[in-house]
Amino acid sequence: AQSVTQLDSQVPVFEEAPVELRCNYSSSVSVYLFWYVQYPNQGLQLLLKYLSGSTLVKGINGFEAEFNKSQTSFHLRKPSVHISDTAEYFCAVSSDSNYQLIWGAGTKLIIKP
Amino acid sequence: DVKVTQSSRYLVKRTGEKVFLECVQDMDHENMFWYRQDPGLGLRLIYFSYDVKMKEKGDIPEGYSVSREKKERFSLILESASTNQTSMYLCASSLLLADEQFFGPGTRLTVL
Repeated sequence: AQSVTQLDSQVPVFEEAPVELRCNYSSSVSVYLFWYVQYPNQGLQLLLKYLSGSTLVKGINGFEAEFNKSQTSFHLRKPSVHISDTAEYFCAVSSDSNYQLIWGAGTKLIIKP
Repeated sequence: DVKVTQSSRYLVKRTGEKVFLECVQDMDHENMFWYRQDPGLGLRLIYFSYDVKMKEKGDIPEGYSVSREKKERFSLILESASTNQTSMYLCASSLLLADEQFFGPGTRLTVL
């Protein structure tokens, strides 16, 4: 069965520093990958998605992610974070063999002033 | 913009009560989902529906049922609420099953 691992439950980072949130998934022939953000007391919002094509995907709010098939990873990056990026970030994956979205446990991004 | 609305942001119920959580989407999406979100566990799928009157169990359906009588509305029912059902409940909809899901703001349910 497909699974998603977000390796860090919390990532503290100073404001204006770069950040990487890690996501690994179990292998599948053809996968679709998503990053969502959840601001405090809100629902989830799509940051970016990979369905096919270029492995570098750009999303909203300056985030980007790179699909690495050999490493089965889809890490999320931002070159310079702001206090407004404080949120929980979820990685999710689906595939042609399992249409259900499988979710990681989430990573809380904590911005230190 | 896709809009998914949920009937309540906060709800407090007593053990044994029947609880209805309502979700409405305005984008004519075929698929609708109910998740519960607990700290450290991510999102767990309770039920989803791919068409009116059609439903499929997710990973944790026990203690829950759903109803989809109209395309835009998907209801989650707790037949007899228990304290271990205290959680955040999130509704979502999507055009295609494997693609992006659009989420409502969530209902934080407390069962006393």
